Amino acid sequence: KQEVTQIPAALSVPEGENLVLNCSFTDSAIYNLQWFRQDPGKGLTSLLLIQSSQREQTSGRLNASLDKSSGRSTLYIAASQPGDSATYLCALSETGANNLFFGTGTRLTVIP
Amino acid sequence: GAGVSQTPSNKVTEKGKYVELRCDPISGHTALYWYRQSLGQGPEFLIYFQGTGAADDSGLPNDRFFAVRPEGSVSTLKIQRTERGDSAVYLCASSLASGGSYEQYFGPGTRLTVT
Repeated sequence: KQEVTQIPAALSVPEGENLVLNCSFTDSAIYNLQWFRQDPGKGLTSLLLIQSSQREQTSGRLNASLDKSSGRSTLYIAASQPGDSATYLCALSETGANNLFFGTGTRLTVIP
Repeated sequence: GAGVSQTPSNKVTEKGKYVELRCDPISGHTALYWYRQSLGQGPEFLIYFQGTGAADDSGLPNDRFFAVRPEGSVSTLKIQRTERGDSAVYLCASSLASGGSYEQYFGPGTRLTVT
């Protein structure tokens, strides 16, 4: 069974710092990987989607990378801002399946 | 356009009662998903619809849980004889079509509390 792990569970950084969030998975037969943001009491907002054939995707200050062979993905956030404070979830879909497998998330706090 | 909407946003019910949770997907999206998120955890898959039919219900925890999508648009998740362990946020998502290449768009969720 696919297992998705995110470490650390929580992270606090001062405003302006660059940071990296980690996601690891046990089965490399994935179709794509998504990074989501979840604000307290809210649903999920998709940030980036990486197809299995891709190595990275960029959107503004966000860059997500994917290394299938090592079972890892990272989300890099440049020049962090207090508004980036949220829980970040990675999720993947497996080849031949339609549902997403989620990690437990990293709760990010950016201190002004 | 409008995103995925879910009603109610909060539901408090007593143990043993029956509840229905509603999801309105993005117009034109043929695939619809239900997930459940317990406190401090990531969402877990429950059931997936392609059109009107449940294509994969392998995530439903037991036969107290049932979902329908009679006209291929709105879906209702039904929970019978609720238990305290059913307390969670129930999330609905939709995508243009089925398959991993289609991005899933999530609603705000329904927070269910069973007392």
